[in-house]
Amino acid sequence: GNSVTQMEGPVTLSEEAFLTINCTYTATGYPSLFWYVQYPGEGLQLLLKATKADDKGSNKGFEATYRKETTSFHLEKGSVQVSDSAVYFCALSDGYNQGGKLIFGQGTELSVKP
Amino acid sequence: KAGVTQTPRYLIKTRGQQVTLSCSPISGHRSVSWYQQTPGQGLQFLFEYFSETQRNKGNFPGRFSGRQFSNSRSEMNVSTLELGDSALYLCASTLQPTGGVDTQYFGPGTRLTVL
Repeated sequence: GNSVTQMEGPVTLSEEAFLTINCTYTATGYPSLFWYVQYPGEGLQLLLKATKADDKGSNKGFEATYRKETTSFHLEKGSVQVSDSAVYFCALSDGYNQGGKLIFGQGTELSVKP
Repeated sequence: KAGVTQTPRYLIKTRGQQVTLSCSPISGHRSVSWYQQTPGQGLQFLFEYFSETQRNKGNFPGRFSGRQFSNSRSEMNVSTLELGDSALYLCASTLQPTGGVDTQYFGPGTRLTVL
């Protein structure tokens, strides 16, 4: 079945460091891919998405490119801030067959130190 | 536009009781999905409702059920609560229920603690 695997956390970085959180997926068909972020005590917020191969999603300095050949959707940011500290979830939707069902990775906790 | 709202935000119950959680989607959204989030299992899909019909279901026992009303508001019910049901329950709404590429917008969740 479909699945998502993320790099394990926690990830601790200094402010202005470069961030990469790896995400790979297994899916039949052509899923849409998402990154969600969860701040302490809150629900999930969509960070970015890509709906087909080679699409690049971007938002708030974060980027991820849908790589079908490597089945990956790695999240990157050139310079992290303390306010980026949160848990990041990679997810996929095989919407044509599964409707509104999202399959999530296990989440990666990011801690940014001043 | 108001976001997805969930009530109550926090709930404490004892084993064997039942509980009902409520979710109001973003205005105009017709599809509502529910997820359970726990430290051990992560985020797991419970079910999805569209036009008052359950359209998709995850791998949870029958103690977990839901429904959707004509105004798209949804409720989920858990009967005969177990300690392992302690979790954050998240609701998400979507504008377009088919095609699957539309974004799901999440509410803040209901934190359920079972004692």
